[in-house]
Amino acid sequence: GAVVSQHPSWVICKSGTSVKIECRSLDFQATTMFWYRQFPKQSLMLMATSNEGSKATYEQGVEKDKFLINHASLTLSTLTVTSAHPEDSSFYICSATESNYGYTFGSGTRLTVV
Amino acid sequence: TQLLEQSPQFLSIQEGENLTVYCNSLSVFSSLQWYRQEPGEGPVLLVTVVTGGEVKKLKRLTFQFGDARKDSSLHITAAQPGDTGLYLCAGARSNDYKLSFGAGTTVTVRA
Repeated sequence: GAVVSQHPSWVICKSGTSVKIECRSLDFQATTMFWYRQFPKQSLMLMATSNEGSKATYEQGVEKDKFLINHASLTLSTLTVTSAHPEDSSFYICSATESNYGYTFGSGTRLTVV
Repeated sequence: TQLLEQSPQFLSIQEGENLTVYCNSLSVFSSLQWYRQEPGEGPVLLVTVVTGGEVKKLKRLTFQFGDARKDSSLHITAAQPGDTGLYLCAGARSNDYKLSFGAGTTVTVRA
């Protein structure tokens, strides 16, 4: 089946630094990739939608200059958390789809900003 | 306000009991999916339903999609401790590819 690889699985960084998270579709071409944020015991909140070769579409309330998304190819999307602060600590999850029937999720990245 | 209202938020039952999780919306979805998520991992797809009135069975799990494609339910028969986890419903509308998630149901099955 479809596999989405997300790296790193966890990262600890100092306040003020930037962190990049990668999301790769391993055996299919993802027309669209999504980035979610999840707080403990809560559901997934969509942050942005990205299509290969075009600018990401951010959900209301998500700062596009803070959460930079690059979708340079049909198999790779990256999320960069710039100038991270403790309140950015969260579980970030990507997903990829070829259509609106098949969504595959990455295993998530636990970001801790100290 | 979430597009999909999922209930209950928490469910704690004894091994062998049955449980049902509900997912309701005022919107029509082209497809609705159920996921199970373990702590520290991404959601894993259990099933996708696309036809109004559809019923799908996966071993002890039964999924229903409402006739109007606005609601769905997940029923687990004879729950086991291995069924413990966060269950999420998510719907996709025909006008875009975005998935809207319910708030999730934390299920705990006690041995």
